[in-house]
Amino acid sequence: AIQMTQSPSSLSASVGDRVTMTCRASQDIRDDLGWYQQKPGKAPKLLIYSASTPQSGVPSRFSGSGSGTDFTLTISGLQPEDFATYYCLQDFEFPFTFGPGTTVDV
Amino acid sequence: VQLVESGGGLVLPGGSLRLSCAASGFIVSDHYMDWVRQAPGKGLEWVGRTRDKVNRHTTEYAASVRGRFIISRDNLKNSLYLQMNSLKIEDTAIYYCARAGDVHNHFVSWGQGTQVTVSS
Repeated sequence: AIQMTQSPSSLSASVGDRVTMTCRASQDIRDDLGWYQQKPGKAPKLLIYSASTPQSGVPSRFSGSGSGTDFTLTISGLQPEDFATYYCLQDFEFPFTFGPGTTVDV
Repeated sequence: VQLVESGGGLVLPGGSLRLSCAASGFIVSDHYMDWVRQAPGKGLEWVGRTRDKVNRHTTEYAASVRGRFIISRDNLKNSLYLQMNSLKIEDTAIYYCARAGDVHNHFVSWGQGTQVTVSS
């Protein structure tokens, strides 16, 4: 199975900051990657698919980039509602695999 | 679009449980549907998928559940199911059903989740 890693595991930030987190795949997955946001006690929410395509309704401050094995999620201008855990997911092949997550806190 | 899971609960190791996911606002048989779980305090784990009717509802499973879990549908009830057999303590988690996108594999709609606890 493809292994996904994320870094950092957590980061502290302030409202208005530009935040960047990375996701790495154990093999080339083209651009078959999505990013999800999860808040405590809630179901995850899809932010980005195909590495860089924003899901409908997602604020433009969220952007994704990368291909192959290295991917980045950037939040440009962190908002109070953005404090959450972010997961990447590869859908290049089965079994789909999530990264361990990056938690963004104050 | 709404997904509502039910059927979770406390079960003994080795036992069985069937989760349900009732859908509204769309036709389940027209979409790829998945189960995702999250153990207490842990990250997300993909459990399995059933494809749409065009692809004959074929299924895929994570290695950790293959041979023990079965995903099925009831088109008349517009529902998805997860039959879980030979349950292990490590199957304890919140289980979410999710609908994949129309043009991509990712999960655009999620249920609220149902708690499964495997314990003696």
